[in-house]
Amino acid sequence: RKEVEQDPGPFNVPEGATVAFNCTYSNSASQSFFWYRQDCRKEPKLLMSVYSSGNEDGRFTAQLNRASQYISLLIRDSKLSDSATYLCVVPGNYGGSQGNLIFGKGTKLSVKP
Amino acid sequence: GAGVSQSPSNKVTEKGKDVELRCDPISGHTALYWYRQRLGQGLEFLIYFQGNSAPDKSGLPSDRFSAERTGESVSTLTIQRTQQEDSAVYLCASSLVGGQGNQPQHFGDGTRLSIL
Repeated sequence: RKEVEQDPGPFNVPEGATVAFNCTYSNSASQSFFWYRQDCRKEPKLLMSVYSSGNEDGRFTAQLNRASQYISLLIRDSKLSDSATYLCVVPGNYGGSQGNLIFGKGTKLSVKP
Repeated sequence: GAGVSQSPSNKVTEKGKDVELRCDPISGHTALYWYRQRLGQGLEFLIYFQGNSAPDKSGLPSDRFSAERTGESVSTLTIQRTQQEDSAVYLCASSLVGGQGNQPQHFGDGTRLSIL
């Protein structure tokens, strides 16, 4: 299994839809996870941190399944402004080759009117 | 407070020239990271600095790439004898503490490098 793997999409959904992305990871010792959002030609921005079983912030819910080694991001009542690429981020190995966080390649979401 | 600051925001140079990119991390952030992102691609880790420890250079793609950081402040990424394949956005990020996977990274706006 790759260190972090995401479905690249694109996910094309209508406004108001609920959409979920999954991300799998290989390091079973990982303790903290993050979802970042990256708009076209912009830098990644932190969306949510996930330190335990999950986290909820408004329309966004992140869930962690340690047994199956995946995290998910659920977006309810999607808005046009949610269109972006969503990056799953997991810890690297201590002193490993990628510093302390490994970024997935991202899942592209396009919300249509 | 101020976020991560990178300069220049855009750089266009001829193949074979050297370039130097600068990153000012968030004050108090001990960890600093450089990434490269080619158009339409994911983030590619380059190098990681944590306090006064030896940097993790394992992501640097060739010996033309080098980076320095003075203490816990400014970092510069230098690319010598640039090639067209070096064209990309170079992103810098900083975090409170690195190496433990508990702190999110905060990114600068990036430097868009174009090699002619």
